[in-house]
Amino acid sequence: GAVVSQHPSRVICKSGTSVKIECRSLDFQATTMFWYRQFPKQSLMLMATSNEGSKATYEQGVEKDKFLINHASLTLSTLTVTSAHPEDSSFYICSARDRTDTEAFFGQGTRLTVV
Amino acid sequence: GQNIDQPTEMTATEGAIVQINCTYQTSGFNGLFWYQQHAGEAPTFLSYNVLDGLEEKGRFSSFLSRSKGYSYLLLKELQMKDSASYLCAAMDSNYQLIWGAGTKLIIKP
Repeated sequence: GAVVSQHPSRVICKSGTSVKIECRSLDFQATTMFWYRQFPKQSLMLMATSNEGSKATYEQGVEKDKFLINHASLTLSTLTVTSAHPEDSSFYICSARDRTDTEAFFGQGTRLTVV
Repeated sequence: GQNIDQPTEMTATEGAIVQINCTYQTSGFNGLFWYQQHAGEAPTFLSYNVLDGLEEKGRFSSFLSRSKGYSYLLLKELQMKDSASYLCAAMDSNYQLIWGAGTKLIIKP
């Protein structure tokens, strides 16, 4: 299957700082990327959907000014958690899909801990 | 509204067979996915069904009945490494995935 690389896999940051998470499709063009958040023992919660070159579409209840998503190229999307707080600590996962393939491939996930 | 239902937890014995059921209600339908997720890791793709019937892939098979809004994942010859959460997701008319809460499968020796 196609490969999606997500970086970093783990990050610890201080409260009030910003953290950037990268998601890259290595061997296909990801016209659509999805960002999820997952709390322990819970299912994936879609945060936003981004199409290359367009503004991301955020799900209800997700603050777009806090979770900045950029999808400037067909192989890279970034999620920046701004002014992070301890309640933002979670597992963040990206997935990517190209134009013709409905299957979404997942990155490895990023464990964010805000202290 | 859109909804996915699957059992919260199941237990099975090593070497046995287990069937994980999933029912869905979506606005339009563009396929049903099964993913496996080990604790602390991202999900990995297992199967995709868009037409009725059974699709077999090694030890894993997936079934779909669109008229009943029903799917199941069948795991044969269970191994300890199959202990994981299994996520069912249906794709709606906008090609968005609607996720179930996942079924935690516990394999006992």
